[in-house]
Amino acid sequence: AQSVTQPDIHITVSEGASLELRCNYSYGATPYLFWYVQSPGQGLQLLLKYFSGDTLVQGIKGFEAEFKRSQSSFNLRKPSVHWSDAAEYFCAVRSGGGADGLTFGKGTHLIIQP
Amino acid sequence: DGGITQSPKYLFRKEGQNVTLSCEQNLNHDAMYWYRQDPGQGLRLIYYSQIVNDFQKGDIAEGYSVSREKKESFPLTVTSAQKNPTAFYLCASRIRAGPDTQYFGPGTRLTVL
Repeated sequence: AQSVTQPDIHITVSEGASLELRCNYSYGATPYLFWYVQSPGQGLQLLLKYFSGDTLVQGIKGFEAEFKRSQSSFNLRKPSVHWSDAAEYFCAVRSGGGADGLTFGKGTHLIIQP
Repeated sequence: DGGITQSPKYLFRKEGQNVTLSCEQNLNHDAMYWYRQDPGQGLRLIYYSQIVNDFQKGDIAEGYSVSREKKESFPLTVTSAQKNPTAFYLCASRIRAGPDTQYFGPGTRLTVL
């Protein structure tokens, strides 16, 4: 069965500093990968996705992620965080086969220090 | 505006009562999904439906039921058989064909007293 691991439950970053959130997945074939962001009590908003092609994908709000097949990773990055980036971040994977639905990691809570 | 609506935002029920959560979308999406979110647990798939009048169990379907009588609507009933129903429930939808993105509604927080 496919799985997603986000090793960091909480991350604290100073405003203006760079950010990297880690995501590792377990899946045999090429997965479809997603990063979502969630503000407290809200639904999920898609930041970016990887289906195929260029392994470095750009998303909204200045985020990017890099798919590394050899490491089974899809880490999310941002060069300079803003206080408004404080939220919960979820990495998710969907298989390309008949199974449907997304498998999510447990999330990383991002705290921004002034 | 196109989107997914979930109502109500907050729902309180007494233990032993069934409760139905609403999910409506006007995106003309074929597939719809229900997820449950618990603190520190991420999201887990309850049920999904790829076409009208058809639905499939997800990873944690026990104690839940769904129907899909219309393309736009995918209500979720939390039955009294669900042992720990207090959670945040999220509905999502996507175009069925291809590896397309799931879009999420704002969620319903259910509290069972």
